[in-house]
Amino acid sequence: GIQVEQSPPDLILQEGANSTLRCNFSDSVNNLQWFHQNPWGQLINLFYIPSGTKQNGRLSATTVATERYSLLYISSSQTTDSGVYFCAVGGGGSQGNLIFGKGTKLSVKP
Amino acid sequence: GAGVSQSPSNKVTEKGKDVELRCDPISGHTALYWYRQSLGQGLEFLIYFQGNSAPDKSGLPSDRFSAERTGGSVSTLTIQRTQQEDSAVYLCASSLFVGFGVQVSPLHFGNGTRLTVT
Repeated sequence: GIQVEQSPPDLILQEGANSTLRCNFSDSVNNLQWFHQNPWGQLINLFYIPSGTKQNGRLSATTVATERYSLLYISSSQTTDSGVYFCAVGGGGSQGNLIFGKGTKLSVKP
Repeated sequence: GAGVSQSPSNKVTEKGKDVELRCDPISGHTALYWYRQSLGQGLEFLIYFQGNSAPDKSGLPSDRFSAERTGGSVSTLTIQRTQQEDSAVYLCASSLFVGFGVQVSPLHFGNGTRLTVT
């Protein structure tokens, strides 16, 4: 099956700093999503981005499907950005199953 | 409701007992997923339902685990003869697919059921 690797596993930032999180995957995909899990355990979908670039406020994401990676950019980080960021990928055809990476744990300090 | 609803939110059970966890997906969503998350870990895929297709059960860890989805809506995950290693948060998510494997909405997760096996 598809392997998903996220880096870095842990990241500590000072409020206001920018960061880039990376997701590498081992096979072609037709589905890639980024999620944020807040400290209370809620999982919120950030982006559905199997290819291309999208932006939503201070967050943006880019997926280069041919090179099998995706990047999540966080600019001007805030303490509320703390939590775990997961990348999830799905294969082609009717395969809707999404495989999650182990996540990047982000801590933003005031 | 507007979101994915899971019940109960917490469940404590004794080793060896059976448990049922319920998921009400977003109305109209054709795809439903179950994941398991142990403390401090990532999400482990369990099972996936899409419309009337046969479910993808490839993630179920043992034959003690089963799930069904009735009428294309509500789903129940059943764990028989629970073991302590089954303790985790069980997460349900739903999404909308059209055509052949084309996802038109992102995954929406419920708040999970925290299962503790004593």
